[in-house]
Amino acid sequence: GAVVSQHPSRVICKSGTSVKIECRSLDFQATTMFWYRQFPKKSLMLMATSNEGSKATYEQGVEKDKFLINHASLTLSTLTVTSAHPEDSSFYICSARNLYQTSSTDTQYFGPGTRLTVL
Amino acid sequence: AQSVTQLGSHVSVSEGALVLLRCNYSSSVPPYLFWYVQYPNQGLQLLLKYTTGATLVKGINGFEAEFKKSETSFHLTKPSAHMSDAAEYFCAVSVEGSQGNLIFGKGTKLSVKP
Repeated sequence: GAVVSQHPSRVICKSGTSVKIECRSLDFQATTMFWYRQFPKKSLMLMATSNEGSKATYEQGVEKDKFLINHASLTLSTLTVTSAHPEDSSFYICSARNLYQTSSTDTQYFGPGTRLTVL
Repeated sequence: AQSVTQLGSHVSVSEGALVLLRCNYSSSVPPYLFWYVQYPNQGLQLLLKYTTGATLVKGINGFEAEFKKSETSFHLTKPSAHMSDAAEYFCAVSVEGSQGNLIFGKGTKLSVKP
């Protein structure tokens, strides 16, 4: 149980285009999903916290107009990188917490990640 | 604010040898501590976590970690390394009331030599 999927797993796009990444909880409902960015040989950086039915909460320094997050249902959150540039190339990982888990002690379940390359 | 420091970006051990990956944290309130493993081009998998209670926590794949408040540490160990343990390991901290936001260390890459 507790499977989180991401689609696509890998995407290459031209500079200036927009890319949408989907994060789905396959066998549980998630009111809270998190989006992380991982640079090569670096740690994961939390970009934003996505709550179903409300606006995402962005971390300091993350442009909300650049990285659009939508959490329209209890099993789906999307991250859209708008007007992508080469510096946006990175590994994007989402995670989700079960609907019935509201404590900070509860496990986040991570997706397999999406490798974005902007040419 | 919380922070995590992982000492050693790269650790290399021989198969069958002890694995020790170090993690120190900083937190003004009682922390919740996690170890995750990441295999190449994959997401993160939870190895173990400490919330409250017993300070020695056992996880999957034979790993365990001990929470030492006096040393602000949560080091990860495994008595005997296996080739399949080669991966990137991340220590993370969270606190109550943070919606479960995880603060990650920079990771330690574990290599296992035959």
